[in-house]
Amino acid sequence: DAGVIQSPRHEVTEMGQEVTLRCKPISGHDYLFWYRQTMMRGLELLIYFNNNVPIDDSGMPEDRFSAKMPNASFSTLKIQPSEPRDSAVYFCASGLASAQETQYFGPGTRLLVL
Amino acid sequence: DQQVKQNSPSLSVQEGRISILNCDYTNSMFDYFLWYKKYPAEGPTFLISISSIKDKNEDGRFTVFLNKSAKHLSLHIVPSQPGDSAVYFCAASAMIGNQFYFGTGTSLTVIP
Repeated sequence: DAGVIQSPRHEVTEMGQEVTLRCKPISGHDYLFWYRQTMMRGLELLIYFNNNVPIDDSGMPEDRFSAKMPNASFSTLKIQPSEPRDSAVYFCASGLASAQETQYFGPGTRLLVL
Repeated sequence: DQQVKQNSPSLSVQEGRISILNCDYTNSMFDYFLWYKKYPAEGPTFLISISSIKDKNEDGRFTVFLNKSAKHLSLHIVPSQPGDSAVYFCAASAMIGNQFYFGTGTSLTVIP
């Protein structure tokens, strides 16, 4: 398996623009997670899905953030409108059904909002 | 509020010596702990784990110690190698639910 795939790897945009980050989880994994990494707060869980259904989105910072998982092999994280403070590395991770299973992370998308 | 804390943002160690990375947590419901290693431009990768029924878990050069009463865990790397230079994240979760809480990471530099 190719592992968790994220695109784009880098994104530079201007404040106010819409940003869409994409993720393809490992085939067979039932859980998908979106994280944001910043220097100040480290890795923060934004939202996670189980069998394509959002389970906990309490980490989503504002209504400007939304995430979808239309099928088992694809998820998006959208920021509209984007702001400079959204600049961070966004990771997608997937895991198996077991509650204690470790998560496999994608390479991340480095977002810079000017 | 951070439920998992790594108070040392960076650590430098000479090659061959021991590296000790520390992690503290506040939630007494946490019972499963992980360490992840992250190289630049890559996602974190799983390194080692420990459950609350144990106080030590060893895997090669890596050993994780858990002190439940102090709500503290540590990762020991012996001997340290230059390839160990990376950012190390600790993470914790409770039996109920799948959410892991991560620390802010410690950047380890092993000096040849």
